[in-house]
Amino acid sequence: EAQVTQNPRYLITVTGKKLTVTCSQNMNHEYMSWYRQDPGLGLRQIYYSMNVEVTDKGDVPEGYKVSRKEKRNFPLILESPSPNQTSLYFCASSSSSTGFGLHFGNGTRLTVT
Amino acid sequence: AQRVTQPEKLLSVFKGAPVELKCNYSYSGSPELFWYVQYSRQRLQLLLRHISRESIKGFTADLNKGETSFHLKKPFAQEEDSAMYYCALSPYSGAGSYQLTFGKGTKLSVIP
Repeated sequence: EAQVTQNPRYLITVTGKKLTVTCSQNMNHEYMSWYRQDPGLGLRQIYYSMNVEVTDKGDVPEGYKVSRKEKRNFPLILESPSPNQTSLYFCASSSSSTGFGLHFGNGTRLTVT
Repeated sequence: AQRVTQPEKLLSVFKGAPVELKCNYSYSGSPELFWYVQYSRQRLQLLLRHISRESIKGFTADLNKGETSFHLKKPFAQEEDSAMYYCALSPYSGAGSYQLTFGKGTKLSVIP
């Protein structure tokens, strides 16, 4: 089954403790992206990747890092999480063949205390 | 920079009534526009993209470049249409700029 898989689904952590949210897709998509969803703000893009070893900042990249060493994986790294990063995070992928139609993961709900 | 505006946070309509979810955008080039839908406790899914000009679940959307709008319409609302709807814009660069900007979303509530 074609899908985007994020882990974990839920995560509660404390300020300053490094964490990684994994994202993997099995559709051989070139493009992957991370979004955060906050009430009243909709979805805002954090980082995106056009292909392996090619990443770029979205609208709200501060406090986040990403890497794209393999085509299928696009982990989101929070080196020193802060409470304002408490949010619902979505990973998504697409390819030119889908005309930018994004396939989304199920989301990761992160709480930073 | 591109911007997508969905002026209504919440839209309530009765079952069987027509639905129009508004979306306006600002972008100097020729963008590609999308509608995404998020049903309760589900992931976002692509509903429509303007280049395909297709109708999905009875919804249609026409890109009006003069008014810079991409409103989503359905002639007769169904209860299962209740969901969060997001309009999104992708700038067309030809070289593959994939930055997708979303609006803040409109919650559609269909009253039985």
